[in-house]
Amino acid sequence: GESVGLHLPTLSVQEGDNSIINCAYSNSASDYFIWYKQESGKGPQFIIDIRSNMDKRQGQRVTVLLNKTVKHLSLQIAATQPGDSAVYFCARGRKTSYDKVIFGPGTSLSVIP
Amino acid sequence: EAQVTQNPRYLITVTGKKLTVTCSQNMNHEYMSWYRQDPGLGLRQIYYSMNVEVTDKGDVPEGYKVSRKEKRNFPLILESPSPNQTSLYFCASSLFGGGEKLFFGSGTQLSVL
Repeated sequence: GESVGLHLPTLSVQEGDNSIINCAYSNSASDYFIWYKQESGKGPQFIIDIRSNMDKRQGQRVTVLLNKTVKHLSLQIAATQPGDSAVYFCARGRKTSYDKVIFGPGTSLSVIP
Repeated sequence: EAQVTQNPRYLITVTGKKLTVTCSQNMNHEYMSWYRQDPGLGLRQIYYSMNVEVTDKGDVPEGYKVSRKEKRNFPLILESPSPNQTSLYFCASSLFGGGEKLFFGSGTQLSVL
């Protein structure tokens, strides 16, 4: 079946270091890949997305890389801060109006001061 | 302020007692969706709606009902709750669906005894 999964359920990084959160997917028929951040006690919040015809997209302190050959997606956070501690979800979507977004199980990022 | 509002935030009920979780968005979004979040399983879609009077099943629709009589509201109804519906529920909306940026509510923690 179709799936979106993450390589590691937890990740700890030192404050100031770069973080890399990985995600693998099985279905190639996706138009968007999206990263969400969920802080404790809150709903997920959109971070960044990337279309399937792109390899890389940069935002503020975040970069998403898409490797369609190996069906792998990564989120890189530069100079990780304590406020980055959260659960990160990758998700895939399609531009077909009635299709749904599929979420991975999440990676919990802990930033060590 | 653009937001998705869910109520209640916390709910404890007993098996079989009908309940409704309300969801409202003020962004004039076409697409609305309900998810449940369980440890290790990520976010799973229950139902979604592309517009008023247009709803469809997600991955885990059993035991749930929804309605979309107005564009801004998308209540989730549990006609006869069971303990396996104990979960954290999120309502979300986006402009057109299909993988676009989702805006999430703050969540409803439901416990069914």
